[in-house]
Amino acid sequence: SYDLTQPPSVSVSPGQTASITCSGDNLGNKYVCWYQKKPGQSPVLVIYQDYMRPSGIPGRFSAANSGNTATLTISGTQSLDEADYYCQAWDSRIVVFGGGTKLTVL
Amino acid sequence: QITLKESGPTLVKPTQTLTLTCTFSGFSLNTSGVGVGWIRQPPGKALECLALIYWNDDPRYSSSLNNRLTITKDTSKNEVVLTMTNVGAMDTGTYFCAHTRYSTSSPFDYWGQGALVTVSS
Repeated sequence: SYDLTQPPSVSVSPGQTASITCSGDNLGNKYVCWYQKKPGQSPVLVIYQDYMRPSGIPGRFSAANSGNTATLTISGTQSLDEADYYCQAWDSRIVVFGGGTKLTVL
Repeated sequence: QITLKESGPTLVKPTQTLTLTCTFSGFSLNTSGVGVGWIRQPPGKALECLALIYWNDDPRYSSSLNNRLTITKDTSKNEVVLTMTNVGAMDTGTYFCAHTRYSTSSPFDYWGQGALVTVSS
């Protein structure tokens, strides 16, 4: 099976830039999307097709995917961005999620 | 607009069969390219995609749970049903259904609110 590896946690100060990585074998050859998940809420799609933002997602969310690593970047991080973030890609016939990264804004 | 809602038992005994229903509106599973997936999150753990089904009745299953899962659709009722056999404590978690499309570039763009399922005797 295909594995996507994320760091368990990332910390950032308010107003600074947070970067969350997602690693997988030749991940750059797959489309990656990113979800924000807050406790008790449904996941929210923040990035699709590697770097596209759905309508309603703030411009401070950006992403890239190359080689073996995809990266989600949050610029000017706000307290409301504190959440778990999951990357997702396809392997064969099924969707695969990364293990998730807890973003702490402190 | 697209909405999805999960329903099913909140408590299931070990070894029983869990049946969850996703009722949706705003799209049709008769439409080419449309799909619905089931994703779960055990407490304190990561999201896991369990199964997907598409407008053409093409089912996809998690390799780790393949032999325990069945996903079906009822287009007349706008429902997708997930059946999981022989449940255990590790199947406790929140189960979500979500809308997607038939492409490896397509994300889960609309999600239900989730249904909490506890497996306990």
